[in-house]
Amino acid sequence: HSVLTQPPSVSAAPGQRVTISCSGTGDKYVSWYQQIPGKVPKLLIYDNNERPSGIPDRFSGSKSGTSATLDITGLQTGDEADYYCATWDSNLMTRVMFGGGTKVAVL
Amino acid sequence: VQLVQSGGGVVPPGGSLRLSCVASGFAFEDYTMHWIRQSPQKGLEWIAIVTYDGDDTNYADSVKGRFTVSRDNSRNSLYLELNSLRHDDTGMYFCAKDIGLSGFDSWGQGTLVTVSS
Repeated sequence: HSVLTQPPSVSAAPGQRVTISCSGTGDKYVSWYQQIPGKVPKLLIYDNNERPSGIPDRFSGSKSGTSATLDITGLQTGDEADYYCATWDSNLMTRVMFGGGTKVAVL
Repeated sequence: VQLVQSGGGVVPPGGSLRLSCVASGFAFEDYTMHWIRQSPQKGLEWIAIVTYDGDDTNYADSVKGRFTVSRDNSRNSLYLELNSLRHDDTGMYFCAKDIGLSGFDSWGQGTLVTVSS
């Protein structure tokens, strides 16, 4: 099975932008999740670039080839969290793959 | 939308446990559901899927043959039967609603499973 690779950590100052990559996605749709320490994961992006209602447009997703990217602009201290990408593989019977997660630190 | 979980606990290696997830606020019978776990200080691991009608299931290789996912749409409930538990099954288990094979838009609060003698 394919493996989704994310950088272990990224950091930036408040107000700056961070980009988190997720490689190995193939041609599958990608979703992104935010998990604040001690909390339940929250869906940020689905279908590569769609935001659920209530998710601010500071969070955006894109995909090119076999890699996807989550951008966070106007970084806030409340954005300190772990971020995970995921893909659905429905070739035979659906299974889901998560990336290893990226810790975002706000300096 | 709410998913309320129960059933975690401490169990010895080789033991069994049943987790439950009761849904409210949406048409449970229309949605595919999943179980996802998170080992201590580690990332998310998908472990099981059940289609809206319960007719189809699939599992991660790490739990295949030991765990069984099921649902009772008349009770708005999702279940995970954990058997032959091992130390590395320890972790927080989440149920999650699938928005259409492209994202988990609602999650249960999590239930802790600890495999220890």
